[in-house]
Amino acid sequence: QSALTQPASVSGSPGQSITISCTGTSSDVGSYNLVSWYQQHPGKAPKLMIYEVSKRPSGVSNRFSGSKSGNTASLTISGLQAEDEADYYCCSYAGSSVYVFGTGTKVTVL
Amino acid sequence: QVQLQESGPGLVKPSQTLSLTCTVSGGSISSGGYYWSWIRQHPGKGLEWIGYIYYSGSTYYNPSLKSRVTISVDTSKNQFSLKLSSVTAADTAVYYCAREKLGWFDPWGQGTLVTVSS
Repeated sequence: QSALTQPASVSGSPGQSITISCTGTSSDVGSYNLVSWYQQHPGKAPKLMIYEVSKRPSGVSNRFSGSKSGNTASLTISGLQAEDEADYYCCSYAGSSVYVFGTGTKVTVL
Repeated sequence: QVQLQESGPGLVKPSQTLSLTCTVSGGSISSGGYYWSWIRQHPGKGLEWIGYIYYSGSTYYNPSLKSRVTISVDTSKNQFSLKLSSVTAADTAVYYCAREKLGWFDPWGQGTLVTVSS
């Protein structure tokens, strides 16, 4: 399984909305609604932000939302805040009890 | 709430076996319903799923690492472990343990850096 493809970087000004894409194949993202998203600040462990494509865990801001179309999943951060500056990773089930992560996206708040 | 903590040597020599343990607190591995996973992150790079285990001992591994990986569980100690054999410098990474259910990983341990060097 190859890593899911994410843009290396995305930036936005405070208050703006940004969207991070996560492109896989018909064998992973396209076949299962088991896409999750993680936020990772420098030196910290990843934190679950979205699961099952669009569900938000308790405690995660409703400024974070997820969606999927075909082989591409997306994470949207609305009302961008300084604390949102971090690396973001998608992850998808790829069948046969195997998981694959995305290449990661660095979000910069201008 | 459930917390995970990795432990093990921070330095391993090339060709040797990397061994790490994840201790789970605040919940029992034996209660079922979750898989217990290992994930690694090469320095400055992305995340790589290594594999996971169910409390019954059923294991699933990343095909790219399958020949060198063994994950085991000790329910009496509420721990699960990772062994990676024949390591090289390419196995230098931060290793995380995490709980998995239906495709999502949460929570994660803090991570432990393992360096492969002579």
